[in-house]
Amino acid sequence: AQSVSQHNHHVILSEAASLELGCNYSYGGTVNLFWYVQYPGQHLQLLLKYFSGDPLVKGIKGFEAEFIKSKFSFNLRKPSVQWSDTAEYFCAVHIQGAQKLVFGQGTRLTINP
Amino acid sequence: NAGVTQTPKFQVLKTGQSMTLQCAQDMNHNSMYWYRQDPGMGLRLIYYSASEGTTDKGEVPNGYNVSRLNKREFSLRLESAAPSQTSVYFCASSPDRSYTFGSGTRLTVV
Repeated sequence: AQSVSQHNHHVILSEAASLELGCNYSYGGTVNLFWYVQYPGQHLQLLLKYFSGDPLVKGIKGFEAEFIKSKFSFNLRKPSVQWSDTAEYFCAVHIQGAQKLVFGQGTRLTINP
Repeated sequence: NAGVTQTPKFQVLKTGQSMTLQCAQDMNHNSMYWYRQDPGMGLRLIYYSASEGTTDKGEVPNGYNVSRLNKREFSLRLESAAPSQTSVYFCASSPDRSYTFGSGTRLTVV
């Protein structure tokens, strides 16, 4: 079965630290990749997405992610986090032809001021 | 604002009661989805509808039914609620690969 794994369940950082959240998926075909963010009490918002082309994609709020096909990975990065980045982050994979989005378990990010 | 509208936002049910969660989108999207979100488990797909008139099971369909009433509306029904269905439910719609989510329904079954 297709699956998406986020290995970090809870990450705690101080402001200005660098961030990398891991995401791996298990599917050998063509995929589209997403990172969503959910701020406390809110719904999911799209951070960035990869469909094709340059494997390094930039999203909102200074986030970026790199698609490494050989590693089946799509890790999220930010060079310097802010307190306002405290949220839950979800990696998701859309499998072409399947018409559905499969989510990872989520990573809770806490930024200490 | 255009988007996905879910009602109600909060609901408390007693075990065995039934209810329907409503979802409507005004973006003319073909596909619609129902997910549930539980701590440590991410979002899991309950049912989806690739187009008007079709519905398919997702990962966790047991205990739920859906209706794609028309292109705009996709409802989720709990016929006999159980405490295990306590969760936050999100509806989403998509034209192809980009998804728009509603603000969620927080359901508690006691």
